[in-house]
Amino acid sequence: QKEVEQNSGPLSVPEGAIASLNCTYSDRGSQSFFWYRQYSGKSPELIMSIYSNGDKEDGRFTAQLNKASQYVSLLIRDSQPSDSATYLCAARSGTGGFKTIFGAGTRLFVKA
Amino acid sequence: ETGVTQTPRHLVMGMTNKKSLKCEQHLGHNAMYWYKQSAKKPLELMFVYSLEERVENNSVPSRFSPECPNSSHLFLHLHTLQPEDSALYLCASSQDSSGKVGEQYFGPGTRLTVT
Repeated sequence: QKEVEQNSGPLSVPEGAIASLNCTYSDRGSQSFFWYRQYSGKSPELIMSIYSNGDKEDGRFTAQLNKASQYVSLLIRDSQPSDSATYLCAARSGTGGFKTIFGAGTRLFVKA
Repeated sequence: ETGVTQTPRHLVMGMTNKKSLKCEQHLGHNAMYWYKQSAKKPLELMFVYSLEERVENNSVPSRFSPECPNSSHLFLHLHTLQPEDSALYLCASSQDSSGKVGEQYFGPGTRLTVT
């Protein structure tokens, strides 16, 4: 069973701090990785994609990928109360298929 | 309309009813997906269509029947559902071009309750 594992949280950080969200995946064939944000009662929203080892930065968000350790992380700098949401990690196989496996998500609370 | 739209947003149906969920994407994407999201469980992929051809069918019961008449529209036909099918049903689309493989954009979802 191919899986994506995340700590369910909640993760609580003060406003202005760095929030660090982590994810591991079991399928070594996975090539594409994604972070989605889901507010309560809303649908997931794509915030980052990463395809190669290393860091990828976009504004306050940095995604990190380590394929050898099968580990993906998301850093949120200068966290704001509006960042409070559930963050979903997802991995897609690189074999040409479309199957994307999602983790159960980590709930983040940013305290004002 | 922009992005991915879904109708209806809420649906209550009895176990003997037949209903359909509709999804439309206005992004020019070439793949469309159906997911089920139940409380405290990960998103479950149900079906994927690429260029109107079904490419993934994730062991979904036959009481769920997908249809993709063109690259912009996706339907999920429902019949003789069970109470455990109550969930949020999400549609998504993606354009698998260089540098953006697998980036999915979700619709608002249909909240389904089976009584």
